[in-house]
Amino acid sequence: QQQVKQSPQSLIVQKGGIPIINCAYENTAFDYFPWYQQFPGKGPALLIAIRPDVSEKKEGRFTISFNKSAKQFSLHIMDSQPGDSATYFCAASMSGAGSYQLTFGKGTKLSVIP
Amino acid sequence: DSGVTQTPKHLITATGQRVTLRCSPRSGDLSVYWYQQSLDQGLQFLIQYYNGEERAKGNILERFSAQQFPDLHSELNLSSLELGDSALYFCASSRRDRVGDYGYTFGSGTRLTVV
Repeated sequence: QQQVKQSPQSLIVQKGGIPIINCAYENTAFDYFPWYQQFPGKGPALLIAIRPDVSEKKEGRFTISFNKSAKQFSLHIMDSQPGDSATYFCAASMSGAGSYQLTFGKGTKLSVIP
Repeated sequence: DSGVTQTPKHLITATGQRVTLRCSPRSGDLSVYWYQQSLDQGLQFLIQYYNGEERAKGNILERFSAQQFPDLHSELNLSSLELGDSALYFCASSRRDRVGDYGYTFGSGTRLTVV
């Protein structure tokens, strides 16, 4: 059973556009929600993360919006650039004892056209 | 360079064979996690070790096993390989035994092709 659902699978935007990637989770025990960025031939790299006590977090051009009641969170990339073209993964984890792994969404391939 | 080193980068082997993938965590990190990445299943958690002890197990097949050595490097052993085991295998490390606020640091992966 997939516990984190991510959409869309792929996304094409023009340079300067604001791509939005959405994720929904099922397990209300999740309390840590990171986003990872992966370039071809590389491992995923942590981009930004949020905990459910805040509704929004910004780091540079990247913003996470979090809706605890809807069990949804999303990544917005402001003023997107061709260098942002990559695959983006949302993930979730529980900080309680016995839960150490990240559960990932299936990824969104973003292409930013110059 | 993330600081997590995985070897080899590529591996081609035949069905039924056994391979060993190696991971050296970032300096100071005690936890090592193994993930399998395939096109249809995405990133799937396999297993985690913390300071030499197994801490969590995910969707790891019985044909697969892992260990973490006293110098903290880890090896993932895959045996009786099948075509469906072809995938990217990632190792990640973290300072503590849980994710914390800084997530994982991933290596660049080992691409396994079973023919």
